[in-house]
Amino acid sequence: AQKVTQAQTEISVVEKEDVTLDCVYETRDTTYYLFWYKQPPSGELVFLIRRNSFDEQNEISGRYSWNFQKSTSSFNFTITASQVVDSAVYFCALSEGNSGNTPLVFGKGTRLSVIA
Amino acid sequence: DSGVTQTPKHLITATGQRVTLRCSPRSGDLSVYWYQQSLDQGLQFLIQYYNGEERAKGNILERFSAQQFPDLHSELNLSSLELGDSALYFCASSAGQFSSYNEQFFGPGTRLTVL
Repeated sequence: AQKVTQAQTEISVVEKEDVTLDCVYETRDTTYYLFWYKQPPSGELVFLIRRNSFDEQNEISGRYSWNFQKSTSSFNFTITASQVVDSAVYFCALSEGNSGNTPLVFGKGTRLSVIA
Repeated sequence: DSGVTQTPKHLITATGQRVTLRCSPRSGDLSVYWYQQSLDQGLQFLIQYYNGEERAKGNILERFSAQQFPDLHSELNLSSLELGDSALYFCASSAGQFSSYNEQFFGPGTRLTVL
C-alpha cells in the first residue's frame, strides 16, 4: 500500500534561516511520481514540483531545492534563506504508476512558520 | 490562478440536507479529481473521472456521488449531510493519459459547513 509520512507536524524558523521539510514514502510500484504542494493561509493548494521515480537528480528552483533519494525513500524539500511569505502548510504527495494520472496520496503536511 | 474553478466558495447547510459542488477543469484537461480536507483525516482522495467515466474511487461515502459531464465539468453531490462532513472540498484536474505533464492543478476549494 502506498503511504506518505511527513514526520514534522510544525516547524518554526526565524527569517533567513534555512529549513528542510522531510518526506518519506512507501510504495510497491517501481514507477511512481512524487510531488510537493504548498497551502498558504488563503487555503489554495499550489503545485511546486513533480519528480518521477527514474529521475534522482536534485533540483533547485530559486530558494527551493529538492533532494530525492530512492535508497531511503525520501523526497526532502529545503527552503534557503526563508521568508515570511514561505509560511504555509507544505504537503508531499505520491502518485503510483507510469502516467502520473492517478490519485494523489498526501502526507499529513508540515506547517512552516517563518518569523520576522 | 490554477485555471480550475469551483463553486460555491462557501456553503453552510444543516444536517440531513443535500448539496452539490461544482468544478470546471483547466481548459483541455480530461481528468478531474475530488479530494476532501478535514482536520482529522487530512487530504483524502474521493473519486476520479477521466473523460466522463469514473476512473478511480477512494474513501468516498455511499452518501456521496459524482459525475463528469460531456463538457468535462464535474459535480460532487453530498446527501444526508452530517456534522462530520464539514470540510474543504477540492477539485483538481490534470491532462490525462498520454500527456507530457501530469501535475494535478487544484481549484480554490469549497468550504462546507454543516450545522
